[in-house]
Amino acid sequence: GENVEQHPSTLSVQEGDSAVIKCTYSDSASNYFPWYKQELGKRPQLIIDIRSNVGEKKDQRIAVTLNKTAKHFSLHITETQPEDSAVYFCAASSNTGRRALTFGSGTRLQVQP
Amino acid sequence: SAVISQKPSRDICQRGTSLTIQCQVDSQVTMMFWYRQQPGQSLTLIATANQGSEATYESGFVIDKFPISRPNLTFSTLTVSNMSPEDSSIYLCSVQTSGEETQYFGPGTRLLVL
Repeated sequence: GENVEQHPSTLSVQEGDSAVIKCTYSDSASNYFPWYKQELGKRPQLIIDIRSNVGEKKDQRIAVTLNKTAKHFSLHITETQPEDSAVYFCAASSNTGRRALTFGSGTRLQVQP
Repeated sequence: SAVISQKPSRDICQRGTSLTIQCQVDSQVTMMFWYRQQPGQSLTLIATANQGSEATYESGFVIDKFPISRPNLTFSTLTVSNMSPEDSSIYLCSVQTSGEETQYFGPGTRLLVL
């Protein structure tokens, strides 16, 4: 089955700096890669996603890149703000067969004001 | 996106007892999933709730321990049976609509087993 690895486990940046979180996946059949943000005591919230026919997607301060050949994808947050502090999870799934998400282990991002 | 609710939002239970968690969606959805999130950990899929047929369980999860029902396209239940302290977790349902890959999560049920 699919295996998703996520790094780093914790990340501390100064407000205004950029943050990058990286994930790798194992199953070449995976073609959908969402990123979720989970604040303490809250449900995971989708912040951005990318499909395998696209190499990069951007939404304001957030961008995701995908390298299908290397089987890795990354989340980039620019101009970080204290409210970006949360746990971020990457995930992978296929639109056939199982269809459920396999999650990475999570990255705790702390933005220092 | 669909509005998803879960009941109860939290509970404290005694070991050996069972708890049934409900997941209700405000619109018909194709897929419903149940995940477990242990304290400080990532999300792990328990099973896919199939409408009108038995749920599909992931490795390490069995029907006797986590029976699941899905009587229609807007509702599902997960029962945590014969609970032990190791079952203390957050249990989340998620949904996926037809033609979409995006999954949205319910607010979760925080379970503490004493």
